[in-house]
Amino acid sequence: NAGVTQTPKFQVLKTGQSMTLQCAQDMNHNSMYWYRQDPGMGLRLIYYSASEGTTDKGEVPNGYNVSRLNKREFSLRLESAAPSQTSVYFCASSEDRYTEAFFGQGTRLTVV
Amino acid sequence: DAKTTQPPSMDCAEGRAANLPCNHSTISGNEYVYWYRQIHSQGPQYIIHGLKNNETNEMASLIITEDRKSSTLILPHATLRDTAVYYCIVRAFYGGATNKLIFGTGTLLAVQP
Repeated sequence: NAGVTQTPKFQVLKTGQSMTLQCAQDMNHNSMYWYRQDPGMGLRLIYYSASEGTTDKGEVPNGYNVSRLNKREFSLRLESAAPSQTSVYFCASSEDRYTEAFFGQGTRLTVV
Repeated sequence: DAKTTQPPSMDCAEGRAANLPCNHSTISGNEYVYWYRQIHSQGPQYIIHGLKNNETNEMASLIITEDRKSSTLILPHATLRDTAVYYCIVRAFYGGATNKLIFGTGTLLAVQP
């Protein structure tokens, strides 16, 4: 049982480079989320997808785009990375609005 | 979305009950209280949730006051492995399909040997 799988686990980017963080869940969940966590802080919601085909902004969406490719996959794209985007990124999924969310192990991104 | 207030840190002796408080005085009638924890920068882990009745599972108990303005997470017999940041979250959802899960800064629980 893989649960929520994020790739890559670690990444170093140069300022201005682009990249896509991948997230896949094998629990047939409808809702998926992307969060970022800066050192010593709580998680902040970037984008979420309540169901396949829908996406909505969270607390800190600027500088990011997302794609809900299908029910299983939800990707996060940085078009032009900035040092302020250095963070740990977590993907999560939940069956619906009432049930608990399951988190991946995170992607540690450094932008230099 | 209703906001939550938690103490930044707490200590607890190993084997004793850990009682973690959370204030959510602006909670709406259809909002649930959720608790998650995060151990050493791993992905957060779901613990328990409730609407207005007290809840218990194999990990913890959740006590919600009658006016629903505050709650307490109880770990009945804390172990060193329970050292983590504990997040109290009020889950906002609307009439449509939106489903936000907004984290605050949490409480760092340090279980002491």
